[in-house]
Amino acid sequence: DIVMTQSPDSLAVSLGERATVNCKSSQSLLQSSNNQNSLAWYQKKPGQPPKLLIYRASIRQSGVPDRFSGSGSGTDFTLTISSLQAEDVALYYCQQYYSGPPAFGPGTKVEI
Amino acid sequence: QVQLVQSGAELKKPGASVKVSCKSSGYTFAGYSIHWVRQAPGQGLEWMGQINPNTGATDYGQKFQGRVTMTRDTSVNTAYMELRGLRSDDTAVYFCARGGDLSPFDHWGQGTLVTVSS
Repeated sequence: DIVMTQSPDSLAVSLGERATVNCKSSQSLLQSSNNQNSLAWYQKKPGQPPKLLIYRASIRQSGVPDRFSGSGSGTDFTLTISSLQAEDVALYYCQQYYSGPPAFGPGTKVEI
Repeated sequence: QVQLVQSGAELKKPGASVKVSCKSSGYTFAGYSIHWVRQAPGQGLEWMGQINPNTGATDYGQKFQGRVTMTRDTSVNTAYMELRGLRSDDTAVYFCARGGDLSPFDHWGQGTLVTVSS
């Protein structure tokens, strides 16, 4: 099974500053058939279900603010919040859907 | 609009079973898999398994094999997750989510808190 790891466990960023979350998979998530990475990012706030932010490593889900961006390929991926807002305080999870059990990373807590 | 609405909170004793429902609306129920994910207090997201509403085919996480059963009723566009032999460490919020074959989970239920306590 593919194992996902994230770093850091938590980070504190000032309002308006950049936040960067890293995700690594134990094997490549690049689909050779379409050259797409099967990697998603979710935002999780207390008392709410997870919200899909990014899929295929870099495509924003409809309605997601453009301060959220995803990058990376293969085994190394990054979620960037370009200018942190108060409402972005949350846990962020990466997830692989390349093969086998769809595994989540352990999560990164973003605080102000 | 796509909606997944789950059943309410449950309090169960150790050894009991729980069955959580997830009613879908706003899309073709048979066209997307329903996944079940749980989050224990202070823990991360844990995938439990999935069901294909069209065929009824299931795929369970190894950790839950033998203890979980996922079913669906296409007449009411509802998926179900039953977990047996409950233990205190099954205390968690259980979510259903819509996903395709090797696709991300784009819509989620509101979550169902299952508390296991004597």
